[in-house]
Order: sequence, then C-alpha cells, then structure tokens
Amino acid sequence: EDQVTQSPEALRLQEGESSSLNCSYTVSGLRGLFWYRQDPGKGPEFLFTLYSAGEEKEKERLKATLTKKESFLHITAPKPEDSATYLCAVQENDYKLSFGAGTTVTVRA
Amino acid sequence: DAMVIQNPRYQVTQFGKPVTLSCSQTLNHNVMYWYQQKSSQAPKLLFHYYDKDFNNEADTPDNFQSRRPNTSFCFLDIRSPGLGDAAMYLCATSKGPGSNTEAFFGQGTRLTVV
Repeated sequence: EDQVTQSPEALRLQEGESSSLNCSYTVSGLRGLFWYRQDPGKGPEFLFTLYSAGEEKEKERLKATLTKKESFLHITAPKPEDSATYLCAVQENDYKLSFGAGTTVTVRA
Repeated sequence: DAMVIQNPRYQVTQFGKPVTLSCSQTLNHNVMYWYQQKSSQAPKLLFHYYDKDFNNEADTPDNFQSRRPNTSFCFLDIRSPGLGDAAMYLCATSKGPGSNTEAFFGQGTRLTVV
C-alpha cells in the first residue's frame, strides 16, 4: 500500500496561471513532511519542511500547507523556470523517508 | 560548498561486474540514505543508517549492500549488476533527533549496465 500519493501526475500551466499540487499520506507517527524540487538528471533540492497540521511555509512563488492527511503545494503566478518535478516525502519516527511519485510541472511562456 | 557529494556522477559497468558507488557528507548528519530512482518514478528507499545502525528495506534485493565506515562516508555495493539495476542512485543525509530533520541529497550517480 502506497504511503504517499501525489496528484496530478503531470500539470501543464500557462505562465501566470496559478495552481496546486496535492500530496496525501497514510503514515502513522509523522515526524515531518517535505517538499522537494527535482530537475532532470539531478538530485532532489529541498524546498520546505512541515511538521504539524495548520503549518504553512512560503518561498517566492511557492507555498506549502499541511493538514492531518495531506499537503498542498501552491504555485502562484508560475514562470517557466518553475518547470520541474515536485516530490513530496514523509519521514516516520524511525527516520525512514518515503517519497511519492511526484508531479511534473511544465510552465509555458 | 557542496554538502552531500556522490562519486562518480556517471558509472558504466558490465553485466555481473561488481560496482561501488560512494557518498560523502560535510554536514555531520546522523542519518544517511540510499535511494534508487528509475525514470519518471519515485525514489525508492534501499536502506538507511542511523549512525551505525543499518536499516534494510524488506524488498531491497540481496544484490545490494551498504557500508558506512564512519559518519562522513557511505558506500553502495552492487555485487552482480543486472540490466534492471540501471538507474539513478541518490544518497541523502538528515540530522536525526530534534528539529530541522529535512534530508539533503547529492546530485546522484547515473548507473548504466552494459
């Protein structure tokens, strides 16, 4: 059973068209939920950590939120340079870090 | 300024020939992870260390082994690579207990099996 599910698999946006990515999880003993950005052929780049329901974090055009069962990554007025795969991961009490399959975002100029 | 360094970036090995991938960190983190990532798929956890305590995932093939001789270094050994083992291998570290538990990744090693 998948512990971390991301949707949609792919998202094509026009520059300036805001949207949201979803990450739902089913782990118990959540130590933290993380968002990463991954460019082709590179390792994931850390974006945000969320620890408890209600928490929000922002960085430039990205905003991450967390509830008890899911997290959202909101992209406001995206630019072509925001094109990437966005990965969600959850860390459990034993420090195991499990990833979702990611959402590939393409922003067209 | 690099914090998690993987070597080499690209590795070509022959079918069945043992290969070792290396990872080093300058963060002094307690936890080190090895992931396998195939094209358009989620990174799949192979194993992780908390200090010297080794944690193997149940579905990690016996063909994959790991060593962590000290805090800074961790190695992934593939004893007899098959064509299905061609993938990106990612090393990551995280602090362990306390706050700021995010994991930081290296740039990966792209393994090709010929």
